[in-house]
Amino acid sequence: GEDVEQSLFLSVREGDSSVINCTYTDSSSTYLYWYKQEPGAGLQLLTYIFSNMDMKQDQRLTVLLNKKDKHLSLRIADTQTGDSAIYFCAETYRDDKIIFGKGTRLHILP
Amino acid sequence: DTEVTQTPKHLVMGMTNKKSLKCEQHMGHRAMYWYKQKAKKPPELMFVYSYEKLSINESVPSRFSPECPNSSLLNLHLHALQPEDSALYLCASSQDAAGYTGELFFGEGSRLTVL
Repeated sequence: GEDVEQSLFLSVREGDSSVINCTYTDSSSTYLYWYKQEPGAGLQLLTYIFSNMDMKQDQRLTVLLNKKDKHLSLRIADTQTGDSAIYFCAETYRDDKIIFGKGTRLHILP
Repeated sequence: DTEVTQTPKHLVMGMTNKKSLKCEQHMGHRAMYWYKQKAKKPPELMFVYSYEKLSINESVPSRFSPECPNSSLLNLHLHALQPEDSALYLCASSQDAAGYTGELFFGEGSRLTVL
């Protein structure tokens, strides 16, 4: 079946690194994604990783993929108040649709 | 122009009303999507149009009727809705079908309340 699991809440101090974890089910997923949703807004793609990669870095964002364990993580370095949002992990399922996890709400402490 | 524009932003309707949600993109994308998002939940796929043809219907009740008049426009016609249909309805588009390029561009959503 289709299921993407994430922890629902993460609280991090400003300036620290945030690590958001996700497990997915479809071992044949071509792409895995991280989307960000701010209050009252649609979703914005932050980054994505091809399934044949282990890591991708893009400025403050680092994505790690462990295909054996079907585990994806997003690390945000030097977390800022503007990073406060809900972060959705997502995977392509059978190559014809994108399935989203339940989302992790990132809360920034001063 | 990298925007997906949805109208209206807010809609309140009764259970006997007929209304429509509209979505527009001018990025030349050939796939367009409707998602439904309840509070504190992830978006759930409803419909996918690929090259103006309906390619995926996720067993959505017939009181929701999608329409794709051309490659830039996507409508969602609403009729005889129930209060539990109240949600944020998100439109998205992608260059091609989701499996090939992956990036979905989302609109801000239409927040629907059914009384």
